Amino acid sequence: DQQVKQNSPSLSVQEGRISILNCDYTNSMFDYFLWYKKYPAEGPTFLISISSIKDKNEDGRFTVFLNKSAKHLSLHIVPSQPGDSAVYFCAASGTGYGGSNYKLTFGKGTLLTVNP
Amino acid sequence: NAGVTQTPKFQVLKTGQSMTLQCAQDMNHNSMYWYRQDPGMGLRLIYYSASEGTTDKGEVPNGYNVSRLNKREFSLRLESAAPSQTSVYFCASSEWTGPYYGYTFGSGTRLTVV
Repeated sequence: DQQVKQNSPSLSVQEGRISILNCDYTNSMFDYFLWYKKYPAEGPTFLISISSIKDKNEDGRFTVFLNKSAKHLSLHIVPSQPGDSAVYFCAASGTGYGGSNYKLTFGKGTLLTVNP
Repeated sequence: NAGVTQTPKFQVLKTGQSMTLQCAQDMNHNSMYWYRQDPGMGLRLIYYSASEGTTDKGEVPNGYNVSRLNKREFSLRLESAAPSQTSVYFCASSEWTGPYYGYTFGSGTRLTVV
């Protein structure tokens, strides 16, 4: 049973345009969401996060939107650059110290290709 | 500044051989993890160690064993490798950054079982 779903295995956009990567979750206990970026032959690296008490978090060209009622989040990259080409993983956890909140549940990832 | 170090980076095994993947972190993190990444399957948790002295099964533990040797090191052992274990393996560690746990990943071990 997949608790974090990224239904688009791949996405291709033109340089300068907006990239929108989507993620859905089913577990109501999740209240913290993170995006990781992974280049070939490297480990995933943290990109941006959002708490369930917010509906938007912005960091430079990257913005994450959360629709808690729909259990849906999206990552917007504006403008997209060729260096953004990578696999993007959506991840979720509970909030707070201890319990099982140290465990992240990952989606399957979306391969973003930004064409020059 | 090494972060999470995995060895080896590449390995080819014959079916039935055994090997141990090594992982060490120098960030004094309490929790450590082993994931495998397969095409179309994302990152799947094999085993994790919430703190030194404890280990638990993740989503796909069959065919693997782990040892949390000390706070720094967390190894993954394949006792009898099978072609289905061909994958890229990532070790990670995490710390409490308030209000969530921040993960640091190693660069991966690409394992091929023939």
